[in-house]
Amino acid sequence: EIVLTQSPDFQSVTPKEKVTITCRASQSVGSSLHWYQQKPDQSPKVLIKYASQSISRVPSRFSASGSGTDFTLTINSLEAEDAATYYCHQSSSLPHTFGQGTKLEIK
Amino acid sequence: QVQLVQSGAEVKKPGASVKVSCKVSGYTLAELAIHWVRQAPGKGLEWMGSFDPEDGETINTQKFQGRVTLTEDTSTDTAYMELSSLRSEDTAVYYCTTEAFDIWGLGTMVTVSS
Repeated sequence: EIVLTQSPDFQSVTPKEKVTITCRASQSVGSSLHWYQQKPDQSPKVLIKYASQSISRVPSRFSASGSGTDFTLTINSLEAEDAATYYCHQSSSLPHTFGQGTKLEIK
Repeated sequence: QVQLVQSGAEVKKPGASVKVSCKVSGYTLAELAIHWVRQAPGKGLEWMGSFDPEDGETINTQKFQGRVTLTEDTSTDTAYMELSSLRSEDTAVYYCTTEAFDIWGLGTMVTVSS
């Protein structure tokens, strides 16, 4: 199975800061890499599909890039409501796999 | 607008089975693939499998070794996930989600305890 490794595991950031989360795949997933936000006691919410495709209801401060094995999620001008755990997910090959998650704490 | 409504929390003993339901509204289940993902307390997301109207069941056999059965009742637009031979490590929130992972149910907490 394809292993997705996110970094960092945890980050404490201040509002208005720019945040970058990376996701590295153990083998190429092409552009079949997606990003989710999960707040405590909530279901995951998709932020970005297929490496860089924005979702209409998601704030524009969320963007992503990458292909193959290296991917990045960027949050520009972080807001307090962005405190959450972020996951990457590959749908390139079975079984689907997720990264271990990156927890963002807002100072 | 598609919504997924899951069944309520369950408490099971080790060795038992659990069947979680996921009712689709706003769409026809016969035209929708449903994935199942679980999350142990304080842990990450784990894909269990999917049921596609055209291809049938696809299971993460590496992790679940034949313990998972996915079914659908298109007459009630309800998808089901049954997990057998439960052990304490199966304690988790179980989610159903649509084929694009863009709509998720609220999750069903399954606790396995003697």
